[in-house]
Amino acid sequence: GAGVSQTPSNKVTEKGKYVELRCDPISGHTALYWYRQSLGQGPEFLIYFQGTGAADDSGLPNDRFFAVRPEGSVSTLKIQRTERGDSAVYLCASSPRRQRGGLYTDTQYFGPGTRLTVL
Amino acid sequence: AQKVTQAQTEISVVEKEDVTLDCVYETRDTTYYLFWYKQPPSGELVFLIRRNSFDEQNEISGRYSWNFQKSTSSFNFTITASQVVDSAVYFCALSEALSGNTPLVFGKGTRLSVIA
Repeated sequence: GAGVSQTPSNKVTEKGKYVELRCDPISGHTALYWYRQSLGQGPEFLIYFQGTGAADDSGLPNDRFFAVRPEGSVSTLKIQRTERGDSAVYLCASSPRRQRGGLYTDTQYFGPGTRLTVL
Repeated sequence: AQKVTQAQTEISVVEKEDVTLDCVYETRDTTYYLFWYKQPPSGELVFLIRRNSFDEQNEISGRYSWNFQKSTSSFNFTITASQVVDSAVYFCALSEALSGNTPLVFGKGTRLSVIA
């Protein structure tokens, strides 16, 4: 079946501009995660959705970052007043959110990412 | 706080050699999951394995094997008879299991280069 898709694959913008990054999760997956990966680093958590609500946004670096998932499927990560330090690959992942015997057995499946470059 | 350390930044091997990628983790949780992901040059993270903290049995999948040792907080990954297609960055990751909120905590990755 289709995996997680992200658009655009590349985005170049100027400092101070507003950008939107889109994530389309695997069909039927209720949990959706955004991560940011800087060069030479592992992905770092930004925000997690369970359904339509943001269950944990503790990883968002500041109030310029915001994400929505209005219908519980597609999500958009929004960055206002972009800065050069925002340049990174933004990864989206989804998981089926199965619960077995009290343990959550999430495996997160990742999309190809959006490479954001702020000039 | 949770932390994953991959001390090997880069490894280079000749094709057909065996190679082990180290992963050491820190967590206060008694129940947690450990993962390995592969990130080839295309950039997409590919899931390889998930292991829960109750299961210390080692696992083998083809040329891949994983050694989970709770006593040393390690979850090492071995590739046997490496191939050029194994060249990628490999990430070890950790998540807690019971809270219902399970973002992954990643290590910084190990870049493996397999030379023909």
